Amino acid sequence: GENVEQHPSTLSVQEGDSAVIKCTYSDSASNYFPWYKQELGKGPQLIIDIRSNVGEKKDQRIAVTLNKTAKHFSLHITETQPEDSAVYFCAHGDAGKSTFGDGTTLTVKP
Amino acid sequence: DAGVIQSPRHEVTEMGQEVTLRCKPISGHNSLFWYRQTMMRGLELLIYFNNNVPIDDSGMPEDRFSAKMPNASFSTLKIQPSEPRDSAVYFCASSLGLAGVSEQYFGPGTRLTVT
Repeated sequence: GENVEQHPSTLSVQEGDSAVIKCTYSDSASNYFPWYKQELGKGPQLIIDIRSNVGEKKDQRIAVTLNKTAKHFSLHITETQPEDSAVYFCAHGDAGKSTFGDGTTLTVKP
Repeated sequence: DAGVIQSPRHEVTEMGQEVTLRCKPISGHNSLFWYRQTMMRGLELLIYFNNNVPIDDSGMPEDRFSAKMPNASFSTLKIQPSEPRDSAVYFCASSLGLAGVSEQYFGPGTRLTVT
């Protein structure tokens, strides 16, 4: 199957704390794992992605880890800021299309 | 680059009417996707095209929905007749290459309300 489970559905943190969102997938053929951020009234926008030949990738305050054996990957945001508040989607894909998780609503309290 | 362009941004129509949503992908991108987003069902892929050819329409909910891509710079999603349960935000996205292995660029969406 192509399903992906994303947890938690909502996450509230204090500004400056870290936030972690986890996804589990079932399709062993998947080799591309993007994360999208959706702000209110806008379409999702890619923030970071990782491919199956890499276990971890970092871009400033954002990092993604991938465990292909266990079929799960995670998004880590450090030193959170109020502007990080949004809905975050994980996805995984192989060939033509990606399957999206249900989203995590992150709220960063100042 | 203007990004993916969708029109209209908002559409309010009465049940039974025909609705046409439009999308202009980013120039040079060869894959185009139509998604529907609701609170209950999240982000659902309806159909995607590669090089203007429909590849997978298994997400299209029923025969009332149809999509076309007559050329590389234009696509439409049509609902006829529309029903209240079609109310949602519809996103168009495009990518350079296959979405399973490359970034998708989303448009701003069309918010459809069917009364």
